[in-house]
Amino acid sequence: DAKTTQPPSMDCAEGRAANLPCNHSTISGNEYVYWYRQIHSQGPQYIIHGLKNNETNEMASLIITEDRKSSTLILPHATLRDTAVYYCIVRVDTGRRALTFGSGTRLQVQP
Amino acid sequence: ETGVTQSPTHLIKTRGQQVTLRCSSQSGHNTVSWYQQALGQGPQFIFQYYREEENGRGNFPPRFSGLQFPNYSSELNVNALELDDSALYLCASSLTQGSPYEQYFGPGTRLTVT
Repeated sequence: DAKTTQPPSMDCAEGRAANLPCNHSTISGNEYVYWYRQIHSQGPQYIIHGLKNNETNEMASLIITEDRKSSTLILPHATLRDTAVYYCIVRVDTGRRALTFGSGTRLQVQP
Repeated sequence: ETGVTQSPTHLIKTRGQQVTLRCSSQSGHNTVSWYQQALGQGPQFIFQYYREEENGRGNFPPRFSGLQFPNYSSELNVNALELDDSALYLCASSLTQGSPYEQYFGPGTRLTVT
């Protein structure tokens, strides 16, 4: 699985958009970008994933650059409950299905 | 639909002892993965089971072993506990059919080795 780089921490004001970047410059053509988050004292939670097109669901939007070397997770209206560690994971969608977590970005939503 | 559950929630053991942690998969999921999460770090993959067979293993010694049962529930066994085994142990269940293979995590078992 390709290596990812994320900032260790970010702050965001409540109600504003939170934009979490992820660099994955060594991504292969068959690797997807996944985002998970882990709220304190809970297990990680799947947010969204994509291959090369931008994706949106009820939780977030995922913007992947055209060269696929980086992506941004967007929480459109951050709330205090979005305070968590966000993990960007790159992996193929077949074979061993383990997730390789890095250190993630600790997002603190401020009131 | 029942989510992933783990037991116990917390556990304290002494170095050298053995421990068994348990996980019940989300309904219909036939694959279970176990992860170890040390304080301040991301989860690290231990191993995965599919239909009662080990289906991949991370960089963990043989004293970490597992089982998956016909109902897809699972156990993680750790022998000869070391202080560094203190961590949050997470299990995650998933489907092998279709895409994507999102993994659904339980709340974890916090193991403290003294």
